[in-house]
Amino acid sequence: AQSVSQHNHHVILSEAASLELGCNYSYGGTVNLFWYVQYPGQHLQLLLKYFSGDPLVKGIKGFEAEFIKSKFSFNLRKPSVQWSDTAEYFCAVCPGNTGGFKTIFGAGTRLFVKA
Amino acid sequence: NAGVTQTPKFRILKIGQSMTLQCTQDMNHNYMYWYRQDPGMGLKLIYYSVGAGITDKGEVPNGYNVSRSTTEDFPLRLELAAPSQTSVYFCASMAGYNEQFFGPGTRLTVL
Repeated sequence: AQSVSQHNHHVILSEAASLELGCNYSYGGTVNLFWYVQYPGQHLQLLLKYFSGDPLVKGIKGFEAEFIKSKFSFNLRKPSVQWSDTAEYFCAVCPGNTGGFKTIFGAGTRLFVKA
Repeated sequence: NAGVTQTPKFRILKIGQSMTLQCTQDMNHNYMYWYRQDPGMGLKLIYYSVGAGITDKGEVPNGYNVSRSTTEDFPLRLELAAPSQTSVYFCASMAGYNEQFFGPGTRLTVL
């Protein structure tokens, strides 16, 4: 079955530290890849997405992610986190063989940034 | 555009009661989804719809029903509520092979 794995369930960082959240998926065909963010008490919002082209994609608020096809990975990065980045982050994959309408979400990574 | 709206925001049900969670989107999206989110478990797909009149089960459909009579609306029905249905429910819509837009969620408690 197709799945999305997020390596860390909880991450605690100090402000200005660098962030990398791991995401791997199990599907060998064409995929669209997403990272969503959920701030405390809010709904999920799109952070960034990858469809094709440059495997390094930039999103909002200084986030970026790199698609490495050979590793089936789509890791999220930010050079310097802020307290306001405290949130839960979800990696998501839309496999091509679902007709493009089913998205599989990872379990999420909770990030807490200490001021 | 209001995007995806959900009502109610909060609800407490007694075991065995029924209710309908409402979801409306004004983006003319064909695809709509219902998820439940439990702590540390990510999002689980309950039901989805690829267009008006067409619905299908997701990972965790038991205890729920849906209908899609219009493009805009995708209500989720809970029959005979059970404590295991205590969760946060999110509705989402999508244009097609793209990002999903989420509603603000409904926090449901079954006592």
